[in-house]
Amino acid sequence: ILNVEQSPQSLHVQEGDSTNFTCSFPSSNFYALHWYRWETAKSPEALFVMTLNGDEKKKGRISATLNTKEGYSYLYIKGSQPEDSATYLCAFSTGTASKLTFGTGTRLQVTL
Amino acid sequence: NAGVTQTPKFQVLKTGQSMTLQCAQDMNHNSMYWYRQDPGMGLRLIYYSASEGTTDKGEVPNGYNVSRLNKREFSLRLESAAPSQTSVYFCASTRLAGVFEQFFGPGTRLTVL
Repeated sequence: ILNVEQSPQSLHVQEGDSTNFTCSFPSSNFYALHWYRWETAKSPEALFVMTLNGDEKKKGRISATLNTKEGYSYLYIKGSQPEDSATYLCAFSTGTASKLTFGTGTRLQVTL
Repeated sequence: NAGVTQTPKFQVLKTGQSMTLQCAQDMNHNSMYWYRQDPGMGLRLIYYSASEGTTDKGEVPNGYNVSRLNKREFSLRLESAAPSQTSVYFCASTRLAGVFEQFFGPGTRLTVL
């Protein structure tokens, strides 16, 4: 079983703070790295899919980077808002690419 | 365009009962997945179907069976439910496994007494 590790487990920030989380994954036989946003009582929704070393993706105030050689990805949120409160999941697929292995997520809470 | 739909939304079973969770997608996706979500465990893959006509075990397949009925539908069956199968079950689909994002259904909350 491939392990995907996310840190921190949970994070509590004030509105306006910028923050970042880490996703670590095995660097061998890498295929793709996914980030999902999961609000309480809803379903996970995709943020980014990244495949190339050095990839950077951005959606509004959220961005992500990928380092496949050392096996990590960072997710950044600039100027956190209460609506950013959610669990952020990363998931990894290998060369066969048929399935994803999910991390346990980073739970972000943004307060006023 | 409903995306990924799951039925039922909630279910309570007694130990030993059987049931089938239904999942359908209307996005013409090739690959479909069943996950379970337990506190502190994240999403764990039960079974998946990379394409119509194929199914494979995921991380936690014991106690479950699946059927890829056609390209749209992928069902999950519990033959003899156990309390350890109390969980929230999510179905997901994607156009091409690994390359494109997965789209998730609303989930089924199952309690086994």
